[in-house]
This record gives sequence, C-alpha cells and structure tokens, in this order.
Amino acid sequence: GQQLNQSPQSMFIQEGEDVSMNCTSSSIFNTWLWYKQDPGEGPVLLIALYKAGELTSNGRLTAQFGITRKDSFLNISASIPSDVGIYFCAGQGSNDMRFGAGTRLTVKP
Amino acid sequence: DAMVIQNPRYQVTQFGKPVTLSCSQTLNHNVMYWYQQKSSQAPKLLFHYYDKDFNNEADTPDNFQSRRPNTSFCFLDIRSPGLGDAAMYLCATSREKLVNEQFFGPGTRLTVL
Repeated sequence: GQQLNQSPQSMFIQEGEDVSMNCTSSSIFNTWLWYKQDPGEGPVLLIALYKAGELTSNGRLTAQFGITRKDSFLNISASIPSDVGIYFCAGQGSNDMRFGAGTRLTVKP
Repeated sequence: DAMVIQNPRYQVTQFGKPVTLSCSQTLNHNVMYWYQQKSSQAPKLLFHYYDKDFNNEADTPDNFQSRRPNTSFCFLDIRSPGLGDAAMYLCATSREKLVNEQFFGPGTRLTVL
C-alpha cells in the first residue's frame, strides 16, 4: 500500500543531542501515531495525536499534529543510548492506516 | 497487564509446509490485524477482523488466510510458504477501527527453509 513520506531515513547522533523527524502526506489524516520498534520486537506506541494543531509530550518526546492534517513531527530531547531503534509514523484516515518507511536512529555514547 | 501475545516468537518451516501463527489479546478489543514486515520496511497490512467480519487487503496473496474463533484469539495460516514469505508477522489490536490507536504484539519471526 501507499506510504507516508518519513524523513530522515536514518540519523546518527551523539548522546545528549536533540532529534527531530517528520512525516508528510498528500492526504488528510484524522489521527497521527508515532511508534518505536526495537530489533526483533513489535512496534510500541509512543504518542497518539487526534486533533490538528495538537502538541503532545511523553517524557523527552514531543509530537505535533500539523495544522493542515497532512504532516506530523516527533522530537526527542537529550537523547540517550536506549533511544536507538526505528521510529515509524502512522496516519489514520477514513479508510485505512498508513505507515511511514521509518527513521533509524543510532545514538553514539 | 493487558497485552497482545504472539506465539511462537520464532517459527521455522519448510518450503510448501503449512504453518499457523497465533495471536491472543487480553485487551478485549474489537479489531485484530495481521501485518507482514520485511527487514527495514514498514509493516504491511494483510487483513483484519472487525469482530467476526473479515477484511482482506486487495494485494494479500491467497496463500494467506486467517481465523478468529473468538474475541481473544486470531490465527494466521500460510498454506504453502515460499521463500518470499520469510518475514516478521505482527498482530495488532484496536478498540475500534480507525479511531483508536493500534497496539502491537512482539511478532513472530518466520524462517522458510
């Protein structure tokens, strides 16, 4: 199926740095979700966004539902080694849920 | 803790030998999904059950079938696995369709020899 445009594809950062990733689409979504997947495990839900313009935090994570309903970003502040993994955005429309291709994050101690 | 459980975590089968993967949930969610995920790719939806209603994605091969005998359990049957079916298979649940977030199980890694 179609995917969202998620960028960047990968990031290599130093421990303590902030991280930003985003997803864009040509379609409008009703819900944006951000998941983290560790190797060999299923995706774990980090943040769910339900309203355009909504800004939500979960610890060091902050995500926003774009005002146009076609984009979302996820920020991680003060990264730590356990932030390593693949981050997926997912947008829920009226007919389906689509995933971004993922952002692979590597954190160097 | 309420959760989504998948068994087995690792499954090895032979080319052409039928295999069944199982998923159970204690969340009492109405919707159960099966995804296929290949290395470094996003999960790809195969099908989902909304209660007892089965919904197949248009591009899901006939080789893949599913059963949901009750609210808690859902099975993925691969009738004749090919080498290309080697992947991580993820089960997910949501309370309702497209208005609630999906919760994923840990996945079953399928190897086809």
